[in-house]
Amino acid sequence: GQNIDQPTEMTATEGAIVQINCTYQTSGFNGLFWYQQHAGEAPTFLSYNVLDGLEEKGRFSSFLSRSKGYSYLLLKELQMKDSASYLCAVKADDYKLSFGAGTTVTVRA
Amino acid sequence: IAGITQAPTSQILAAGRRMTLRCTQDMRHNAMYWYRQDLGLGLRLIHYSNTAGTTGKGEVPDGYSVSRANTDDFPLTLASAVPSQTSVYFCASSEGSLYHEQFFGPGTRLTVL
Repeated sequence: GQNIDQPTEMTATEGAIVQINCTYQTSGFNGLFWYQQHAGEAPTFLSYNVLDGLEEKGRFSSFLSRSKGYSYLLLKELQMKDSASYLCAVKADDYKLSFGAGTTVTVRA
Repeated sequence: IAGITQAPTSQILAAGRRMTLRCTQDMRHNAMYWYRQDLGLGLRLIHYSNTAGTTGKGEVPDGYSVSRANTDDFPLTLASAVPSQTSVYFCASSEGSLYHEQFFGPGTRLTVL
């Protein structure tokens, strides 16, 4: 099976920066996805990395190191609306997505 | 409005009953997926379909069946519901099964008593 690990919870202050780490051990690799999920809602796509390096999209950036089996999602200038769960998902050799359990981020005023 | 819809929004079901969760997308996506989400376990793939007419088993397929008669619809059936199938079920679709992101429906909250 696939193994994807991320912290359960993180708390940060409005305006700050938070980094959510994700490590994975999978059968092959065809890309890593980050999704955001607000409580009671569906996950929505945030970013996709298939090559090593940093992908930046506004306040959110995602980094990938394939050799280390490691990714992080960086959330800058945190806003209250960023309080949500962040899901790391890896597409392995079978092209199916395997999800981590998610990291719940709480932004405090 | 383009997107993916699921029905019902929520359901309480007696154990042993048969139940079909409906999923429809109008984005003409080839691939569709069913996941269940349980606290602490994340999203787990139940069944998938890479294109109309084909289906495959995911990580937790037991007790569930699917069909894909056309591009738009991908129903999930619980033949005889059990309490361990209490969960939130998400349907998703993607343009292809290779490198494209998945779009998720709003979910169905199912309680089996």
